[in-house]
Amino acid sequence: AQKVTQAQTEISVVEKEDVTLDCVYETRDTTYYLFWYKQPPSGELVFLIRRNSFDEQNEISGRYSWNFQKSTSSFNFTITASQVVDSAVYFCALILTGNQFYFGTGTSLTVIP
Amino acid sequence: EAQVTQNPRYLITVTGKKLTVTCSQNMNHEYMSWYRQDPGLGLRQIYYSMNVEVTDKGDVPEGYKVSRKEKRNFPLILESPSPNQTSLYFCASSWNREIPYEQYFGPGTRLTVT
Repeated sequence: AQKVTQAQTEISVVEKEDVTLDCVYETRDTTYYLFWYKQPPSGELVFLIRRNSFDEQNEISGRYSWNFQKSTSSFNFTITASQVVDSAVYFCALILTGNQFYFGTGTSLTVIP
Repeated sequence: EAQVTQNPRYLITVTGKKLTVTCSQNMNHEYMSWYRQDPGLGLRQIYYSMNVEVTDKGDVPEGYKVSRKEKRNFPLILESPSPNQTSLYFCASSWNREIPYEQYFGPGTRLTVT
């Protein structure tokens, strides 16, 4: 059963628009971690954020913000005032005890200039 | 420079011909892992290792072998590759403490099995 769902396969926005990437996860564990990674067209994977299941505070880092809601099992990622350099595939991942990683299928974001 | 290296970066081979993809990290990380990336399927974990001589199956271990004899190296072995193993493979490493740390990924190995 899929543990991480990124329902948005592809999203296109015009530069300077805000965009939210959805991530819904599934687990019965009470302790778990959630990550977001970015994969630009060059192919490397870039770590963006880690969140544990006990910390529901939202986080903001520049134009990036994350909204973690345990009640809906979601960990959504918002880019404010998008830029062309934000064009990439974004992956959400769930890590359970034992350090096994479960990645979502990714959301491909295209920012149109 | 802290990095994860993979070799080769590109490989075209034929069905049944054994191959090894090497992975090495210079950060003294305990945790290492292999993933495959396929269109529409995201990244799927093949095997991971919490430390030397400790390996565990991920989500899709069938058809793969790994070994962890040294801390820095974690080779991926395909004993008898098949076309359905055509994929983009990533190696990753991280610290292994009481919480999972960010993984550093290698540049990827694009494997084609004909």
